[in-house]
Amino acid sequence: GESVGLHLPTLSVQEGDNSIINCAYSNSASDYFIWYKQESGKGPQFIIDIRSNMDKRQGQRVTVLLNKTVKHLSLQIAATQPGDSAVYFCAEWGAAGNKLTFGGGTRVLVKP
Amino acid sequence: GAVVSQHPSWVICKSGTSVKIECRSLDFQATTMFWYRQFPKQSLMLMATSNEGSKATYEQGVEKDKFLINHASLTLSTLTVTSAHPEDSSFYICSASGGEPMDYGYTFGSGTRLTVV
Repeated sequence: GESVGLHLPTLSVQEGDNSIINCAYSNSASDYFIWYKQESGKGPQFIIDIRSNMDKRQGQRVTVLLNKTVKHLSLQIAATQPGDSAVYFCAEWGAAGNKLTFGGGTRVLVKP
Repeated sequence: GAVVSQHPSWVICKSGTSVKIECRSLDFQATTMFWYRQFPKQSLMLMATSNEGSKATYEQGVEKDKFLINHASLTLSTLTVTSAHPEDSSFYICSASGGEPMDYGYTFGSGTRLTVV
């Protein structure tokens, strides 16, 4: 979850299907997790967050699941749309002090 | 909602010159601002954390004399890349928070594409 990847894994999804993006983290001291969406040439855009004392949170078409036992975080996007095509990053706060640390990212490509 | 404005969105400069990037919080007071660097197809790497009125805290491996950060007010932080070289070419992104991220969230600027020729 904290490493910088030399390439981005890609998830190809048919329009209308659900997408699941996964993220693993290594430090159980993480207090807070955020999912971001980044389109080409733009800054990250907040999608949804979850605190470490929760295991699920839902937003509009998105759900974040947190499994602290295996240090795993996932983002589920319902009825994926072409506008969802982007790179998605998980980020965590607290493990390395008062700062946000990003995971490697996953590229989502939505096929019409 | 919270808005962070970053300028310029792109800049091309000659090797050896300096470039300043501005990050402004438009509708909130940012007690803390963060500067990130992102290479193509990679994640965001934190460069430094700046708090208003105090010196920035740099991450390991980031040259503080090369990447000068100033956080002179609660709405403005600047990053100056001094004596830029082609290897400094990257996407630089700032973010700001009005307090504890869990309470106030993190808002990112739109990024600055720096190309050093």
